[in-house]
Amino acid sequence: EPEVTQTPSHQVTQMGQEVILRCVPISNHLYFYWYRQILGQKVEFLVSFYNNEISEKSEIFDDQFSVERPDGSNFTLKIRSTKLEDSAMYFCASGLEPYEQYFGPGTRLTVT
Amino acid sequence: DAKTTQPPSMDCAEGRAANLPCNHSTISGNEYVYWYRQIHSQGPQYIIHGLKNNETNEMASLIITEDRKSSTLILPHATLRDTAVYYCIVRANNDYKLSFGAGTTVTVRA
Repeated sequence: EPEVTQTPSHQVTQMGQEVILRCVPISNHLYFYWYRQILGQKVEFLVSFYNNEISEKSEIFDDQFSVERPDGSNFTLKIRSTKLEDSAMYFCASGLEPYEQYFGPGTRLTVT
Repeated sequence: DAKTTQPPSMDCAEGRAANLPCNHSTISGNEYVYWYRQIHSQGPQYIIHGLKNNETNEMASLIITEDRKSSTLILPHATLRDTAVYYCIVRANNDYKLSFGAGTTVTVRA
């Protein structure tokens, strides 16, 4: 059964550094998402992406964040200058239709 | 802004049905009820969704009341692997995001 994959599983970075989190969505899916979950807190929506553009984004998704689908298979989340409060699990999701979202296993980002 | 209300936790016995309630009294006509679960910090997993009719799939059944103000997710034969946080989410068809609340922590006991 096809799955969403994410790399790396754990990323440690220093405050102020740029990080890129990578996701490989399920191959025929058209809708792509990023969510995050700070330890012990709720899963929070960051951004949705369809037809090569952002379709919706939350207040969390400020100018420090960007998304890209560089080669038709990968879907990346870039954080330009990480802060301590960016430490969280980041989940990628994809779907063939808007109503379905299949989540990846997550990348744990630790900012020191 | 919480659109759903779920009990914070519940226990159930292995092999028995688990009935998970959800209140969504302010649901709009174009909003669907979705259920996801999250097993110990893994990515959330889709379970089922419905608009007004009851739905069943290989994982669970979803019972939605006639006034659509509440619903129940039924896991027919709970196993230890069903221990997870279960999220009831209300979402309109034209809304891309899923808004997760705190969910119900379900513990299946042997």
